[in-house]
Amino acid sequence: NAGVTQTPKFQVLKTGQSMTLQCAQDMNHEYMSWYRQDPGMGLRLIHYSVGAGITDQGEVPNGYNVSRSTTEDFPLRLLSAAPSQTSVYFCASSSSIQGHSGNTIYFGEGSWLTVV
Amino acid sequence: SQQGEEDPQALSIQEGENATMNCSYKTSINNLQWYRQNSGRGLVHLILIRSNEREKHSGRLRVTLDTSKKSSSLLITASRAADTASYFCATDAGAGNMLTFGGGTRLMVKP
Repeated sequence: NAGVTQTPKFQVLKTGQSMTLQCAQDMNHEYMSWYRQDPGMGLRLIHYSVGAGITDQGEVPNGYNVSRSTTEDFPLRLLSAAPSQTSVYFCASSSSIQGHSGNTIYFGEGSWLTVV
Repeated sequence: SQQGEEDPQALSIQEGENATMNCSYKTSINNLQWYRQNSGRGLVHLILIRSNEREKHSGRLRVTLDTSKKSSSLLITASRAADTASYFCATDAGAGNMLTFGGGTRLMVKP
């Protein structure tokens, strides 16, 4: 059981380049989300999805796009990378809305992105 | 903006001692969760406490929640070197929102 799988683990981009961070989960979870974690800080929500075909913005969505064509996959796209997007990115999934049942959120191992 | 704020930001103790971390938050919540993050790894769920609960235990972990003060504490008893990690509280305000995380407490347990 792989859980939540993120790729790539590490990536260096030049300013202005675009790229996609991949996220896949094999737990048939409806809810998936992307967070970024900056040094010494907690996680901030970028985008989330409550099911296939449905996405919504989180706290810091600017500069990022997401799509949810299948239940399993939730890719995060950086449209035109900027140094301010240097961060560690975490994908997460859960089986229901946290507020209703409080189910556990499962996190991927993280993707370290540097924009130069 | 961060909903939760952990205190202290860093904590260093000897193996066998207890470690207490506090979390304060700003708005009403449905539940509060604590996560652990080892260096260079993802977050691992430790424990969830609902807004109508005051205390919860899981092994060496004890979590309290005071909704009147909008605060929670995580106690790790009889700490081990392997407990060295960052610990984050995260609040769930419901209405389809995802979790909002605090800045974390970096715990170092010296052998």
